[in-house]
Amino acid sequence: EPEVTQTPSHQVTQMGQEVILRCVPISNHLYFYWYRQILGQKVEFLVSFYNNEISEKSEIFDDQFSVERPDGSNFTLKIRSTKLEDSAMYFCASSKQGAANEKLFFGSGTQLSVL
Amino acid sequence: GENVEQHPSTLSVQEGDSAVIKCTYSDSASNYFPWYKQELGKGPQLIIDIRSNVGEKKDQRIAVTLNKTAKHFSLHITETQPEDSAVYFCAAYTFGNEKLTFGTGTRLTIIP
Repeated sequence: EPEVTQTPSHQVTQMGQEVILRCVPISNHLYFYWYRQILGQKVEFLVSFYNNEISEKSEIFDDQFSVERPDGSNFTLKIRSTKLEDSAMYFCASSKQGAANEKLFFGSGTQLSVL
Repeated sequence: GENVEQHPSTLSVQEGDSAVIKCTYSDSASNYFPWYKQELGKGPQLIIDIRSNVGEKKDQRIAVTLNKTAKHFSLHITETQPEDSAVYFCAAYTFGNEKLTFGTGTRLTIIP
């Protein structure tokens, strides 16, 4: 079965540094998402992306965050100046037709640790 | 916005017995309710889902029920097996938004 791949699996960074989390969605999918999960807490929506633009974002997704689809295969999440509270597991997801019309496939996540 | 509550947070069940996990949601406009299973080191995987025009759906040992009036839905796993041990999340989706709101998760442990 096709899968969403994320790299790296673990990322350690210093507070204030920029990080880029990378994702390769399933090839024929059109909708892309980032979610995050702080240790012991629920999975939270960050942003959805369709047709090369953000379709929805949460209040967590402030000006420090950005997403990009730089080519036909990659989907990236950039955090410009990391804070301690950005430490979390970040999941990329994709779907063919949107969250309620087609199931979401999640990647295995990137564990981000901000020191 | 939507708020999803999930209970219990942990659940231990003897192998072969049934497990039930319950969720409530707040937004009456929510119309799609998936359940995800998360194994250690992996991302959430969809195991079953239900739409608001259906009261119950079953897939082998897994079933989901939905009560729209009460705004709650439940996951039922029968004849539990050790490989059912995982964290289970319910979620709700409202048409017109492109996001899922997740519950807080249930850590299910199957005791051999």
